[in-house]
Amino acid sequence: NAGVTQTPKFQVLKTGQSMTLQCAQDMNHNSMYWYRQDPGMGLRLIYYSASEGTTDKGEVPNGYNVSRLNKREFSLRLESAAPSQTSVYFCASSAHRDTQYFGPGTRLTVL
Amino acid sequence: SQQGEEDPQALSIQEGENATMNCSYKTSINNLQWYRQNSGRGLVHLILIRSNEREKHSGRLRVTLDTSKKSSSLLITASRAADTASYFCATDTGAQKLVFGQGTRLTINP
Repeated sequence: NAGVTQTPKFQVLKTGQSMTLQCAQDMNHNSMYWYRQDPGMGLRLIYYSASEGTTDKGEVPNGYNVSRLNKREFSLRLESAAPSQTSVYFCASSAHRDTQYFGPGTRLTVL
Repeated sequence: SQQGEEDPQALSIQEGENATMNCSYKTSINNLQWYRQNSGRGLVHLILIRSNEREKHSGRLRVTLDTSKKSSSLLITASRAADTASYFCATDTGAQKLVFGQGTRLTINP
């Protein structure tokens, strides 16, 4: 099993450009999550999906959209990137409200 | 605002010593979890303790939970260089999501 995979690993954008971060899990988990991690800020939840077909806002949803494409895939879209969105983005999944399994992260720089 | 706050923010000890990290939280929880993050990597789950449990062990890890004080501690015994990482507590408040603290950066010196 690959666990949680994320693409791309690194990305540099210019202000105003758009992009989609992809996440997939092969553990048949119901719940999936998107976090951002900034220096000294820990992880902050952007959006989550408790089950296929549902999505909910987390702590910092502004400037992002998500799509739960199917049970395996959960994508995060930046419609118009801003320098404040420079961060490391992590996707995670879980079977229930317990252990979360994390992907390796996407390092995004917005110039 | 963060639900969990770790203390200390950074800890540096000698190999073989024990490392203790603390986590405080604000609201009632279903469970509390500890995760490790090596530099440049994703988080890895270490241990989960439920609200009706007071202590839990896993190998060299010992976690305690005091719900009256809304606090938890993670003890790593006989530390090794490979334990160098950031450690995060995360609380499950029953809202289908975890809330993470800001982490403790642990450095084990040889």
